[in-house]
Amino acid sequence: DTEVTQTPKHLVMGMTNKKSLKCEQHMGHRAMYWYKQKAKKPPELMFVYSYEKLSINESVPSRFSPECPNSSLLNLHLHALQPEDSALYLCASSQAVGSKNIQYFGAGTRLSVL
Amino acid sequence: AQSVTQLDSQVPVFEEAPVELRCNYSSSVSVYLFWYVQYPNQGLQLLLKYLSGSTLVKGINGFEAEFNKSQTSFHLRKPSVHISDTAEYFCAVAMNTGFQKLVFGTGTRLLVSP
Repeated sequence: DTEVTQTPKHLVMGMTNKKSLKCEQHMGHRAMYWYKQKAKKPPELMFVYSYEKLSINESVPSRFSPECPNSSLLNLHLHALQPEDSALYLCASSQAVGSKNIQYFGAGTRLSVL
Repeated sequence: AQSVTQLDSQVPVFEEAPVELRCNYSSSVSVYLFWYVQYPNQGLQLLLKYLSGSTLVKGINGFEAEFNKSQTSFHLRKPSVHISDTAEYFCAVAMNTGFQKLVFGTGTRLLVSP
């Protein structure tokens, strides 16, 4: 089983709302990632968690707040987003953070900020 | 820093014809190379990877790629495409030391028509 599950699949929110994206994997992976993908562009790395600790933050604005409550679960809390934050948000996981470890991606959450 | 170039933004091809999607990379150190596919409204799925060893790599769905160190290329090939191969294809590279983030190319849209 190489499944990474993301919920919800679609999300529409206003600029004053607070919402959360959820990502779950049961492969025993210890590294989890958040990516942002704008239309017709490649994914851009946002955050990396290794053994439930934040190891990389790619200078992401503080209106995006990641959380890793346990080794299977990764959340992305959203607050006061801007319309330009509308994108596909992808979660990925890998056995560990070494470069040769394959990243398995979820289907993504398509976010629209009004 | 490394970079990836996918010169073809779109490749139209007829069903059962062969196809080659080009990928060139730039790096001052050894790298790992990956091809991912993204079907409409889905996340990324790993097609194949080159970590070491044989330069001809076979992946899923009949795809293969050849690592050419002298030409810094990792072109993706399939001898006979199907309508269902219509998707976005991303080449990605990561330096092979520690954790280095995946650097994606801009993607190539493969359009297979009957």
